[in-house]
Amino acid sequence: GAGVSQSPRYKVTKRGQDVALRCDPISGHVSLYWYRQALGQGPEFLTYFNYEAQQDKSGLPNDRFSAERPEGSISTLTIQRTEQRDSAMYRCASSTGGNTIYFGEGSWLTVV
Amino acid sequence: EDKVVQSPLSLVVHEGDTVTLNCSYEVTNFRSLLWYKQEKKAPTFLFMLTSSGIEKKSGRLSSILDKKELSSILNITATQTGDSAIYLCAGRYNQGGKLIFGQGTELSVKP
Repeated sequence: GAGVSQSPRYKVTKRGQDVALRCDPISGHVSLYWYRQALGQGPEFLTYFNYEAQQDKSGLPNDRFSAERPEGSISTLTIQRTEQRDSAMYRCASSTGGNTIYFGEGSWLTVV
Repeated sequence: EDKVVQSPLSLVVHEGDTVTLNCSYEVTNFRSLLWYKQEKKAPTFLFMLTSSGIEKKSGRLSSILDKKELSSILNITATQTGDSAIYLCAGRYNQGGKLIFGQGTELSVKP
């Protein structure tokens, strides 16, 4: 696609529910990243993939958070048993590996 | 602990003014520094700086990296209201492309 596409753009969920956020990177981009951004802050790294391999998941806050990219293209970030503190903008980004990293518009998650 | 710090956190100027945004970084195994402009949608890539002392320029925007001082500046000349945004600076690690972001500088350009 022309840019990094994320869905849903807005998600309101009840505390305790699971949510899945989807990212469709720029076509041909090898690397895919997930970031979380709170209001008034810069994005915070969660995890990244090269192709289908998860290379670094050091930023995932706890074991309720997981991500996958089974075919090396689309990725899903899953948050289980959501809590109010999970409310944030979740941004996906992609790159060709060594170069510029392009961000998507993000998925706003609100846990009520 | 690795960190990126931007200053000022917010800035209000009038159209036509020139502004300088600052970014300092402490990043282990540093590879490059990136600047982004964030409006309501996705952060838009502005510059990637790898070498010290070489200015990158795009229209009214320019940026330079100082590896000795572990810092970078972003200059905007002849500001316009469309320049109003949050400007994010990020350090990129040598391995894997992970970015560590600063808090951002919120620039407001008044007519």
